[in-house]
Amino acid sequence: GEDVEQSLFLSVREGDSSVINCTYTDSSSTYLYWYKQEPGAGLQLLTYIFSNMDMKQDQRLTVLLNKKDKHLSLRIADTQTGDSAIYFCAESPYGGATNKLIFGTGTLLAVQP
Amino acid sequence: EPEVTQTPSHQVTQMGQEVILRCVPISNHLYFYWYRQILGQKVEFLVSFYNNEISEKSEIFDDQFSVERPDGSNFTLKIRSTKLEDSAMYFCASSEKVWAFFGQGTRLTVV
Repeated sequence: GEDVEQSLFLSVREGDSSVINCTYTDSSSTYLYWYKQEPGAGLQLLTYIFSNMDMKQDQRLTVLLNKKDKHLSLRIADTQTGDSAIYFCAESPYGGATNKLIFGTGTLLAVQP
Repeated sequence: EPEVTQTPSHQVTQMGQEVILRCVPISNHLYFYWYRQILGQKVEFLVSFYNNEISEKSEIFDDQFSVERPDGSNFTLKIRSTKLEDSAMYFCASSEKVWAFFGQGTRLTVV
Protein backbone atom coordinates (compact mmCIF):
# COMPACT_ATOMS: atom_id res chain seq x y z
CA GLY A 1 0.00 0.00 0.00
CA GLU A 2 0.91 3.64 0.01
CA ASP A 3 3.31 4.68 2.73
CA VAL A 4 5.57 7.65 3.39
CA GLU A 5 8.33 7.62 5.99
CA GLN A 6 10.47 10.35 7.48
CA SER A 7 12.99 10.64 10.27
CA LEU A 8 11.36 12.11 13.35
CA PHE A 9 13.81 14.77 14.46
CA LEU A 10 16.57 17.02 13.11
CA SER A 11 18.56 19.60 15.04
CA VAL A 12 20.73 22.21 13.31
CA ARG A 13 22.47 25.45 14.18
CA GLU A 14 21.23 28.75 12.81
CA GLY A 15 22.95 29.51 9.51
CA ASP A 16 23.62 25.87 8.68
CA SER A 17 21.82 23.91 5.99
CA SER A 18 19.08 21.47 6.95
CA VAL A 19 18.29 18.35 4.96
CA ILE A 20 15.04 16.55 5.66
CA ASN A 21 14.60 13.16 4.04
CA CYS A 22 11.56 11.18 3.00
CA THR A 23 10.93 7.81 1.38
CA TYR A 24 7.73 6.75 -0.29
CA THR A 25 6.39 3.53 -1.73
CA ASP A 26 4.00 4.47 -4.52
CA SER A 27 6.11 4.68 -7.67
CA SER A 28 3.18 6.06 -9.64
CA SER A 29 2.97 9.23 -7.56
CA THR A 30 2.67 12.23 -9.82
CA TYR A 31 3.40 15.03 -7.37
CA LEU A 32 5.37 15.13 -4.15
CA TYR A 33 4.99 17.93 -1.67
CA TRP A 34 6.55 19.50 1.37
CA TYR A 35 4.33 21.09 3.99
CA LYS A 36 5.35 23.03 7.10
CA GLN A 37 3.41 23.01 10.35
CA GLU A 38 4.27 25.54 13.02
CA PRO A 39 3.06 24.97 16.60
CA GLY A 40 -0.72 25.24 16.83
CA ALA A 41 -1.04 26.14 13.18
CA GLY A 42 -2.28 24.48 10.02
CA LEU A 43 -0.32 22.96 7.16
CA GLN A 44 1.45 25.44 4.94
CA LEU A 45 2.42 24.32 1.45
CA LEU A 46 6.13 25.03 1.01
CA THR A 47 6.92 23.53 -2.36
CA TYR A 48 6.19 20.60 -4.63
CA ILE A 49 7.91 18.66 -7.36
CA PHE A 50 6.48 16.84 -10.34
CA SER A 51 7.60 13.26 -10.69
CA ASN A 52 9.43 13.83 -13.99
CA MET A 53 11.79 16.35 -12.33
CA ASP A 54 14.97 15.60 -10.40
CA MET A 55 15.38 18.93 -8.68
CA LYS A 56 13.51 22.10 -7.95
CA GLN A 57 14.90 25.23 -6.33
CA ASP A 58 12.80 27.96 -4.75
CA GLN A 59 14.81 30.61 -2.89
CA ARG A 60 16.30 28.88 0.17
CA LEU A 61 14.54 25.61 -0.56
CA THR A 62 15.88 22.85 -2.78
CA VAL A 63 13.92 19.68 -3.43
CA LEU A 64 15.71 16.61 -4.75
CA LEU A 65 13.85 13.60 -6.11
CA ASN A 66 15.40 10.19 -6.73
CA LYS A 67 12.64 8.20 -8.39
CA LYS A 68 14.68 5.02 -8.59
CA ASP A 69 15.15 4.93 -4.82
CA LYS A 70 11.79 6.63 -4.12
CA HIS A 71 13.61 9.20 -2.04
CA LEU A 72 12.71 12.84 -1.63
CA SER A 73 14.66 15.47 0.28
CA LEU A 74 14.18 19.08 1.27
CA ARG A 75 17.23 21.24 1.79
CA ILE A 76 16.84 24.54 3.60
CA ALA A 77 19.82 26.82 3.12
CA ASP A 78 20.87 29.29 5.83
CA THR A 79 18.39 27.85 8.32
CA GLN A 80 16.81 30.41 10.62
CA THR A 81 15.11 30.03 14.01
CA GLY A 82 11.83 30.82 12.26
CA ASP A 83 12.26 27.62 10.27
CA SER A 84 11.69 25.58 13.44
CA ALA A 85 8.58 23.52 12.73
CA ILE A 86 7.39 20.09 11.70
CA TYR A 87 7.96 19.33 8.03
CA PHE A 88 5.71 16.85 6.26
CA CYS A 89 6.47 15.08 3.06
CA ALA A 90 3.36 14.04 1.10
CA GLU A 91 2.69 12.15 -2.07
CA SER A 92 -0.26 12.26 -4.41
CA PRO A 93 -0.89 8.74 -5.70
CA TYR A 94 -1.65 8.50 -9.38
CA GLY A 95 -4.95 6.97 -10.24
CA GLY A 96 -6.86 8.19 -7.25
CA ALA A 97 -10.17 9.86 -7.96
CA THR A 98 -8.71 13.09 -6.76
CA ASN A 99 -5.36 14.29 -5.55
CA LYS A 100 -5.65 12.98 -2.03
CA LEU A 101 -2.40 13.30 -0.13
CA ILE A 102 -0.58 10.58 1.76
CA PHE A 103 1.49 12.22 4.48
CA GLY A 104 4.66 11.14 6.15
CA THR A 105 5.15 11.06 9.89
CA GLY A 106 6.64 14.54 9.94
CA THR A 107 10.15 15.67 10.88
CA LEU A 108 10.55 18.09 13.76
CA LEU A 109 13.25 20.60 12.82
CA ALA A 110 14.81 22.35 15.80
CA VAL A 111 17.05 25.30 14.96
CA GLN A 112 19.51 26.25 17.68
CA PRO A 113 20.55 29.93 17.85
CA GLU B 1 -3.92 36.18 -0.07
CA PRO B 2 -6.89 33.77 -0.25
CA GLU B 3 -7.05 31.21 2.50
CA VAL B 4 -9.11 28.33 3.80
CA THR B 5 -10.88 29.21 7.03
CA GLN B 6 -12.23 26.78 9.61
CA THR B 7 -14.54 27.26 12.54
CA PRO B 8 -14.50 26.71 15.41
CA SER B 9 -10.81 26.53 16.25
CA HIS B 10 -11.56 24.29 19.21
CA GLN B 11 -14.65 22.21 19.95
CA VAL B 12 -15.27 20.20 23.08
CA THR B 13 -18.14 17.74 22.95
CA GLN B 14 -19.50 14.88 25.00
CA MET B 15 -19.25 11.35 23.74
CA GLY B 16 -22.29 10.42 21.68
CA GLN B 17 -23.07 13.98 20.64
CA GLU B 18 -23.14 15.19 17.06
CA VAL B 19 -20.64 17.79 15.90
CA ILE B 20 -20.39 19.82 12.74
CA LEU B 21 -17.06 21.24 11.69
CA ARG B 22 -17.20 24.11 9.24
CA CYS B 23 -14.89 25.22 6.48
CA VAL B 24 -14.88 27.97 3.90
CA PRO B 25 -12.65 26.85 1.02
CA ILE B 26 -10.86 29.21 -1.37
CA SER B 27 -13.55 30.59 -3.63
CA ASN B 28 -12.43 29.38 -7.08
CA HIS B 29 -11.37 25.93 -5.93
CA LEU B 30 -13.29 22.88 -7.07
CA TYR B 31 -11.94 20.08 -4.90
CA PHE B 32 -12.48 19.90 -1.16
CA TYR B 33 -11.00 17.61 1.44
CA TRP B 34 -11.06 16.68 5.09
CA TYR B 35 -8.05 15.26 6.89
CA ARG B 36 -7.46 14.49 10.51
CA GLN B 37 -4.40 14.33 12.73
CA ILE B 38 -4.63 12.42 15.98
CA LEU B 39 -2.14 13.82 18.47
CA GLY B 40 1.34 12.53 17.70
CA GLN B 41 0.25 10.66 14.59
CA LYS B 42 0.23 11.19 10.84
CA VAL B 43 -2.13 13.45 8.99
CA GLU B 44 -4.72 11.07 7.52
CA PHE B 45 -6.97 11.52 4.51
CA LEU B 46 -10.69 11.23 5.30
CA VAL B 47 -12.65 12.28 2.23
CA SER B 48 -12.56 14.28 -0.98
CA PHE B 49 -15.51 16.06 -2.54
CA TYR B 50 -16.01 17.29 -6.08
CA ASN B 51 -19.01 18.38 -8.09
CA ASN B 52 -21.29 18.04 -5.08
CA GLU B 53 -20.46 14.46 -4.32
CA ILE B 54 -17.87 12.37 -2.54
CA SER B 55 -15.15 11.37 -4.99
CA GLU B 56 -13.02 9.31 -2.64
CA LYS B 57 -13.09 8.29 1.02
CA SER B 58 -10.84 6.37 3.34
CA GLU B 59 -11.64 3.45 5.61
CA ILE B 60 -11.83 5.91 8.50
CA PHE B 61 -14.77 7.70 6.87
CA ASP B 62 -17.53 5.32 8.02
CA ASP B 63 -21.26 5.85 8.38
CA GLN B 64 -20.73 8.14 11.34
CA PHE B 65 -19.19 10.74 9.06
CA SER B 66 -20.83 12.85 6.39
CA VAL B 67 -19.89 15.88 4.34
CA GLU B 68 -21.98 18.55 2.78
CA ARG B 69 -21.66 21.71 0.76
CA PRO B 70 -24.91 23.37 1.85
CA ASP B 71 -24.36 26.57 -0.12
CA GLY B 72 -21.80 28.04 -2.48
CA SER B 73 -19.20 28.73 0.15
CA ASN B 74 -19.31 26.36 3.13
CA PHE B 75 -18.06 22.79 3.34
CA THR B 76 -18.96 20.85 6.47
CA LEU B 77 -17.95 17.62 8.17
CA LYS B 78 -20.51 16.04 10.47
CA ILE B 79 -19.77 13.34 13.00
CA ARG B 80 -23.10 11.86 14.11
CA SER B 81 -22.22 10.19 17.39
CA THR B 82 -18.76 11.13 18.56
CA LYS B 83 -16.42 8.64 20.18
CA LEU B 84 -13.40 9.30 22.36
CA GLU B 85 -11.15 8.19 19.51
CA ASP B 86 -12.55 10.94 17.27
CA SER B 87 -10.51 13.44 19.29
CA ALA B 88 -8.09 14.94 16.81
CA MET B 89 -7.22 18.00 14.80
CA TYR B 90 -9.42 18.13 11.70
CA PHE B 91 -8.09 19.96 8.66
CA CYS B 92 -10.10 21.15 5.72
CA ALA B 93 -8.33 21.70 2.40
CA SER B 94 -9.23 22.88 -1.05
CA SER B 95 -7.49 22.75 -4.40
CA GLU B 96 -7.80 23.55 -8.06
CA LYS B 97 -6.29 20.08 -8.67
CA VAL B 98 -2.53 20.12 -8.24
CA TRP B 99 -1.80 21.46 -4.81
CA ALA B 100 -3.99 21.75 -1.76
CA PHE B 101 -4.24 24.64 0.65
CA PHE B 102 -5.12 23.79 4.24
CA GLY B 103 -7.05 25.61 6.90
CA GLN B 104 -5.76 26.19 10.43
CA GLY B 105 -7.68 23.20 11.71
CA THR B 106 -10.35 22.51 14.30
CA ARG B 107 -9.22 20.74 17.43
CA LEU B 108 -12.00 18.36 18.45
CA THR B 109 -11.93 17.03 21.99
CA VAL B 110 -14.43 14.32 22.90
CA VAL B 111 -14.92 13.85 26.63
